[in-house]
Amino acid sequence: QLQLQESGPGLVKPSETLSLTCTVSGGSMRSSSYYWGWIRQPPGKGLEWIGSIYYSGSTYYNPSLKSRVTISVDTSKNQFSLELSSVTAADAAVYYCARLALGHWCDPWGQGTLVTVSS
Amino acid sequence: QSVLTQPPSVSGAPGQRVTISCTGSSSNIGAGYDVHWYQQLPGTAPKLLIYGNSNRPSGVPDRFSGSKSGTSASLAISGLQAEDEADYYCQSYDSSLSGFVFGTGAKVTVL
Repeated sequence: QLQLQESGPGLVKPSETLSLTCTVSGGSMRSSSYYWGWIRQPPGKGLEWIGSIYYSGSTYYNPSLKSRVTISVDTSKNQFSLELSSVTAADAAVYYCARLALGHWCDPWGQGTLVTVSS
Repeated sequence: QSVLTQPPSVSGAPGQRVTISCTGSSSNIGAGYDVHWYQQLPGTAPKLLIYGNSNRPSGVPDRFSGSKSGTSASLAISGLQAEDEADYYCQSYDSSLSGFVFGTGAKVTVL
């Protein structure tokens, strides 16, 4: 059974870079049938797609975040990562990683990790 | 930044049938992209409920059903149960964003 687990600092200072890693277990990331993505949810609000990456390294980013986002993949470790630069309070959220089907649905999801932005 | 619109809340008595609408546009649902639905119980990650407009993953009760028409989609829950109290999100792909879009979310309350 495929499982995803987010990891990284729970507190980031304003203007600094948020860095998270998603570790995939129970299966390989090297599949042409799926790709991998990050989604976030501010407290009490809805879901926002951040970006996606294929195991080959091809990336797709939300235009509203594109200038600040980098997603990378390390298939040797079965991990993919998110970097979001110049964070502000508006970036505080629960960050989820997920496997994305070619039909554009997300399943499964990681349990999520809460990131707070504060000095 | 949600581009798919859902009613903020929906409620019903146990055993009743409720529906949640999801309205998009010509660059997402109306462009032919499939709609998917997620259930988010309090304090947990979203869980895939319906994929490809009307397909249920293994383990999802057949009380949940989905449909799509034009620029909109709907999720129906029949035989409403207390355990169905949750937030529900629709999701599709948008060609103008070249990415995923989620609905605004609907909270289902069992009276």
